[in-house]
Amino acid sequence: SQQGEEDPQALSIQEGENATMNCSYKTSINNLQWYRQNSGRGLVHLILIRSNEREKHSGRLRVTLDTSKKSSSLLITASRAADTASYFCATSGTSYGKLTFGQGTILTVHP
Amino acid sequence: ETGVTQTPRHLVMGMTNKKSLKCEQHLGHNAMYWYKQSAKKPLELMFVYSLEERVENNSVPSRFSPECPNSSHLFLHLHTLQPEDSALYLCASSQGGGLTEAFFGQGTRLTVV
Repeated sequence: SQQGEEDPQALSIQEGENATMNCSYKTSINNLQWYRQNSGRGLVHLILIRSNEREKHSGRLRVTLDTSKKSSSLLITASRAADTASYFCATSGTSYGKLTFGQGTILTVHP
Repeated sequence: ETGVTQTPRHLVMGMTNKKSLKCEQHLGHNAMYWYKQSAKKPLELMFVYSLEERVENNSVPSRFSPECPNSSHLFLHLHTLQPEDSALYLCASSQGGGLTEAFFGQGTRLTVV
């Protein structure tokens, strides 16, 4: 299985602080994606990083990928209360359309 | 709005009922998916359709029956469900399989009583 596993399972920080979430996976991937989910709603795509990329930025988001360690991290800088949500990594491999999700990290940002 | 619409948003059904979940995408994508999200479990991929043809069936019980009549619509037909099937069912679409990002609907919260 190439299931992503996020760490930590829960993260509680103050507004303005940075939040870092990690993801590990088990097999070769084509790309790794990060998604956000507000309570009980659909997932929203945040960023996609391909297996030949090492780092990617999008606004306050920074994603790194280390294929040798089979791990990725998502950094949210200058967090806001509105960033409170669950964050999931998902890996895409060789099976058509098969995105495999991890358990997610629950991020709480206190105002 | 992500361009993927799911109905209904909430559904309560008895174990002997038959119901259907509907998903519609307005993005021109060529692949659609059903995922199941249960409490304290990762999202589980149930079915993948590419160009209206099922390309993945992730060992899902036969009481779940998908249907993809065209590239914009996806259904999940439900019958004789069990209480453990209560979950959030998410539909998603993408272009090019897992090579690009997936767009998710808001989900149907299903409760089986």
